[in-house]
Amino acid sequence: ELKVEQNPLFLSMQEGKNYTIYCNYSTTSDRLYWYRQDPGKSLESLFVLLSNGAVKQEGRLMASLDTKARLSTLHITAAVHDLSATYFCAVDEKANFGNEKLTFGTGTRLTIIP
Amino acid sequence: NAGVTQTPKFRVLKTGQSMTLLCAQDMNHEYMYWYRQDPGMGLRLIHYSVGEGTTAKGEVPDGYNVSRLKKQNFLLGLESAAPSQTSVYFCASRNGVGRNQPQHFGDGTRLSIL
Repeated sequence: ELKVEQNPLFLSMQEGKNYTIYCNYSTTSDRLYWYRQDPGKSLESLFVLLSNGAVKQEGRLMASLDTKARLSTLHITAAVHDLSATYFCAVDEKANFGNEKLTFGTGTRLTIIP
Repeated sequence: NAGVTQTPKFRVLKTGQSMTLLCAQDMNHEYMYWYRQDPGMGLRLIHYSVGEGTTAKGEVPDGYNVSRLKKQNFLLGLESAAPSQTSVYFCASRNGVGRNQPQHFGDGTRLSIL
């Protein structure tokens, strides 16, 4: 059974600081997704990481994937208040066609303090 | 383009009542999913469908049934609601071409069982 763990679960950081959220998963996979959720809202796709060594960047967020270590990171650079949200990673368990589904981590609630 | 639309947005039920949640997508996506989101547990997959007329069980299927009679619609039914089914329910859809597409989520249905 695929397990996906995120840490930290809660993160409070000051504006302007850098930090990293970690996503570990337990079985072989070559596809990992990062989502953002604002309070009371839906989930918004941020990044799709498709292979070992993949790196994607959008604004102050950068995501990377190391399939050998079964680890993805979401790095926040010079945080601003607008980045306050809950961030989820989700892993697509490598399976035969017709059985694609995601397993989500428990989320990291990020609060940016002025 | 509406994307993924969930109906209703809020509902309060009494224990033992039944109801159906509707998910409609206008993106011609093959895959559709139902999740529940509970505090501290991320999103857990209830049931999913890889095409019209097909359904499969996810991580937490007990107490729920689904149907995918039309490609654009995915229905989630609660036959006899229980307080443990109080949750926020999200529907998602994904393009079936390739496995590198993110899931697109609806706005959620907040369901309370008294």
